Amino acid sequence: AQSVSQHNHHVILSEAASLELGCNYSYGGTVNLFWYVQYPGQHLQLLLKYFSGDPLVKGIKGFEAEFIKSKFSFNLRKPSVQWSDTAEYFCAVNPTDSWGKLQFGAGTQVVVTP
Amino acid sequence: EAGVAQSPRYKIIEKRQSVAFWCNPISGHATLYWYQQILGQGPKLLIQFQNNGVVDDSQLPKDRFSAERLKGVDSTLKIQPAKLEDSAVYLCASSLDRQAVYEQYFGPGTRLTVT
Repeated sequence: AQSVSQHNHHVILSEAASLELGCNYSYGGTVNLFWYVQYPGQHLQLLLKYFSGDPLVKGIKGFEAEFIKSKFSFNLRKPSVQWSDTAEYFCAVNPTDSWGKLQFGAGTQVVVTP
Repeated sequence: EAGVAQSPRYKIIEKRQSVAFWCNPISGHATLYWYQQILGQGPKLLIQFQNNGVVDDSQLPKDRFSAERLKGVDSTLKIQPAKLEDSAVYLCASSLDRQAVYEQYFGPGTRLTVT
């Protein structure tokens, strides 16, 4: 069965620390990959996406993610986090033959302390 | 532009009762999605509409859940009868079209508690 795994459920770090969130998926075919973010009290929103081409993609607010096809991974990174990055982060996979259908991971709650 | 609207925001019902949720997508968006998000899990797609037709309802528990999108705009999701395990946040999302290149915009969700 297809699955999306996020390695950490909770991450706590200090401002200016670097962040890396892991995401692995199991699917034999071609996929599109996404990271979504939900800030406290706000709607789920798109952070960045990968369809093809350069495996290093940049998103909003200084986030980037790297697609490693051989490892079925799409890890999210930010070199220096801010308190405002406190949020829940979701990795999502779209098999290219499934018309926009997204399969989400369980999410990682990130808390950035001042 | 206005975002995806959902109502009610919160609902508490007893098991075996029925409940309905409403969603108004972003104007002009052809594709509408309903997701179920159980506490501690990511959103799970229940049903996907393209205009007023169903594209995918493979994960919709059809014995108790139903959804419709009349006139290809607003949509309602109904649960009848509700079970304890239906307690979750129900998210509506919309996109310009159903290809993945079109971003899905999410509403605030309806938090359902079944007691």
